[in-house]
Amino acid sequence: EAQVTQNPRYLITVTGKKLTVTCSQNMNHEYMSWYRQDPGLGLRQIYYSMNVEVTDKGDVPEGYKVSRKEKRNFPLILESPSPNQTSLYFCASGDRGYEQYFGPGTRLTVT
Amino acid sequence: DAKTTQPTSMDCAEGRAANLPCNHSTISGNEYVYWYRQIHSQGPQYIIHGLKNNETNEMASLIITEDRKSSTLILPHATLRDTAVYYCIVVYQGGSEKLVFGKGTKLTVNP
Repeated sequence: EAQVTQNPRYLITVTGKKLTVTCSQNMNHEYMSWYRQDPGLGLRQIYYSMNVEVTDKGDVPEGYKVSRKEKRNFPLILESPSPNQTSLYFCASGDRGYEQYFGPGTRLTVT
Repeated sequence: DAKTTQPTSMDCAEGRAANLPCNHSTISGNEYVYWYRQIHSQGPQYIIHGLKNNETNEMASLIITEDRKSSTLILPHATLRDTAVYYCIVVYQGGSEKLVFGKGTKLTVNP
């Protein structure tokens, strides 16, 4: 089954404790991206990757890192999480422009 | 600078057609109209897209006016599972592949 998977789905952590949210797709897509969704602000892009070893900033990249060492994986790294990074995170992938597949989401709470 | 305008909310009776309008009066000739939906905190789901011709797939139909300044997404026989926020997005094909989600239309399908 074609899908985008994210782990963990739920995470509660404390300020400053490094964490990684994994994203994996099995569709051989070149394009992958990360979004965060907050009430009243909608979905905003954090980072995206057009292909392996190619990443670029989206609209809200501060406080996040990403890497794209393999085509299928695109982890989101929070080196020192802060409470303002409490959000719902979505990973997406695509191979034909804007027809993209989204993961189920990761709900992160930073206390 | 929002490229699209959608009603905040709409209601539809189960089994009837749901017609969701979108205004994109400033659309340019090489921009496409994409529709996504998000069912309560799940990842957004691609529905359909078009340039100027009407389009139909297994999920929905997309009707674009001749002047391309507006479009309508049609769910022919709405079910309770179609209750979601529907997003109309205008994109430049060949751009960064970033999806800019506005506030969308909250469609509630009633039994």
